[in-house]
Amino acid sequence: NAGVMQNPRHLVRRRGQEARLRCSPMKGHSHVYWYRQLPEEGLKFMVYLQKENIIDESGMPKERFSAEFPKEGPSILRIQQVVRGDSAAYFCASSPGRTGANVLTFGAGSRLTVL
Amino acid sequence: KQEVTQIPAALSVPEGENLVLNCSFTDSAIYNLQWFRQDPGKGLTSLLLIQSSQREQTSGRLNASLDKSSGRSTLYIAASQPGDSATYLCAAPANTGNQFYFGTGTSLTVIP
Repeated sequence: NAGVMQNPRHLVRRRGQEARLRCSPMKGHSHVYWYRQLPEEGLKFMVYLQKENIIDESGMPKERFSAEFPKEGPSILRIQQVVRGDSAAYFCASSPGRTGANVLTFGAGSRLTVL
Repeated sequence: KQEVTQIPAALSVPEGENLVLNCSFTDSAIYNLQWFRQDPGKGLTSLLLIQSSQREQTSGRLNASLDKSSGRSTLYIAASQPGDSATYLCAAPANTGNQFYFGTGTSLTVIP
């Protein structure tokens, strides 16, 4: 019964490159959330998805960032033309329902370093 | 918008002491509140989830309380151990239920 799986665990990119972060939710969970944690800061909500739908992307920057959760396969957070300020830990969480009534289970995170 | 505050930001105690971590939130119309633990360089581990209808929840040496009317929650850790050293995060949901808002955490060090 694997938990939330994120990969890669560490990713290094040069400015201007693209970063793709993947998240496989827990078995039976159809709700996925992405959070970003900057050094010495708290977790900030980015986006909430269900299969094939973006429910809430109010925390995601309008440019360069996109997320998807296809019918088959993991959820993907994509960052185009990365800049140094994108360096952070990106955490994915899943739940069986909306967070209001369900426990969030987090992955180990993907740590992005932009050179 | 829900705002979550945690005090103190850091706490250092000798092994064996009981301690209390505090969390306050601005929007009391919450379904539940969740406490997490984060070890350095790692992800978050869920510790306790308190439903809005509950006043407290216990797991082993941990006890979390919730007072919606005052917008506060506390995490009580009994007989602290060095292995309890970590950052403890409190999270309260947005009124849409679409996300949790996190505090910046309390960094706990238990000295052997």
